[in-house]
Amino acid sequence: QKEVEQDPGPLSVPEGAIVSLNCTYSNSAFQYFMWYRQYSRKGPELLMYTYSSGNKEDGRFTAQVDKSSKYISLFIRDSQPSDSATYLCAMSRQGGNQFYFGTGTSLTVIP
Amino acid sequence: KAGVTQTPRYLIKTRGQQVTLSCSPISGHRSVSWYQQTPGQGLQFLFEYFSETQRNKGNFPGRFSGRQFSNSRSEMNVSTLELGDSALYLCASSVGLAGQLDTQYFGPGTRLTVL
Repeated sequence: QKEVEQDPGPLSVPEGAIVSLNCTYSNSAFQYFMWYRQYSRKGPELLMYTYSSGNKEDGRFTAQVDKSSKYISLFIRDSQPSDSATYLCAMSRQGGNQFYFGTGTSLTVIP
Repeated sequence: KAGVTQTPRYLIKTRGQQVTLSCSPISGHRSVSWYQQTPGQGLQFLFEYFSETQRNKGNFPGRFSGRQFSNSRSEMNVSTLELGDSALYLCASSVGLAGQLDTQYFGPGTRLTVL
């Protein structure tokens, strides 16, 4: 079993929709939870991260962590065509840069 | 500040050959990590170099090796290429912090195709 599981999609939504992206994990030692966005032919870029449980909001993006369920989510409000990309979740046990990545969810926002 | 650069961007090799990929990190970053990205497996960690020393290693065979130079530039080598080595190889640079989140900045990757 992989330590981080992510539904690969693909996910296709109309412009303006609310998008929900999710990951589950098995290692309760994970403390840092990150979301990366990867456009085609580019490397991943960090969108946001949270430490331990709770929510974090940044503009149209909200990250949620539920450690009791070992489940994390990324919500995108008012989705735009420019949000079309692959979204990867990543986790770390104790900081540093040893990250465990999900396989990524491909998102297409249709104008 | 310039980002992470990787060369070459695309490579085509045949089975049994070897290949060397190069990564130049962001100025001031001392840590370079390498990942293999494939559609089925996602990003898999290969190894990390910090101050010219391999600090962490993933579960890849010994055919995959790397090194880091005194200017923090890093190279990754794959010997005796197999068809399954076809992938996007990503390099990520970071300051090299421990005990707190050490944000990684990724390069655009090198697309390796093994025929």
